[in-house]
Amino acid sequence: EPEVTQTPSHQVTQMGQEVILRCVPISNHLYFYWYRQILGQKVEFLVSFYNNEISEKSEIFDDQFSVERPDGSNFTLKIRSTKLEDSAMYFCASSELPGQGSNQPQHFGDGTRLSIL
Amino acid sequence: GEDVEQSLFLSVREGDSSVINCTYTDSSSTYLYWYKQEPGAGLQLLTYIFSNMDMKQDQRLTVLLNKKDKHLSLRIADTQTGDSAIYFCAETPDNYGQNFVFGPGTRLSVLP
Repeated sequence: EPEVTQTPSHQVTQMGQEVILRCVPISNHLYFYWYRQILGQKVEFLVSFYNNEISEKSEIFDDQFSVERPDGSNFTLKIRSTKLEDSAMYFCASSELPGQGSNQPQHFGDGTRLSIL
Repeated sequence: GEDVEQSLFLSVREGDSSVINCTYTDSSSTYLYWYKQEPGAGLQLLTYIFSNMDMKQDQRLTVLLNKKDKHLSLRIADTQTGDSAIYFCAETPDNYGQNFVFGPGTRLSVLP
């Protein structure tokens, strides 16, 4: 069964450094998402992306964050000038663009655990 | 804003049924989902239900939706130790590209 894959599985970065988290969505999917889960807390929406632009973003997704689809397969989340509170599990998800009046579930990757030191 | 709530812990004996409950506030919720997260792993879609349905059954899983009370439940029949995980309820309105709102997750522990 097709899967969303994320790399790396664990990223350790010094505070203030930039980090790029990578995702390969399912190949025929057109909507892409990033979520984060701080340890012991809820899964929180960050951003959705369609047709090479951001569809929606949450309050968490400030100027420190950016997303990009640099080629036909990868979808990346860049965090500039990381802070301690950016430490979390970051999940990528993708969904197929559904037909009118329906919806499709999002399929999640296994996540990247980001640790900021 | 929208909110989704779940009880945080549930313990059951192996072979018993588990019932995980979820309440939500968004009356425009159209799709409701159950995801499973095993330790150190990602979110695995278990099942979902459209808001015009009351029940959906998929093998050992039964989802019940009470739209009037905004209450969703997941019943796992014949619970096994491999079912031990965190179960997340999530909802979304019927819009493309809209984000999910997740509950805090219910940690299910299956005792031998």
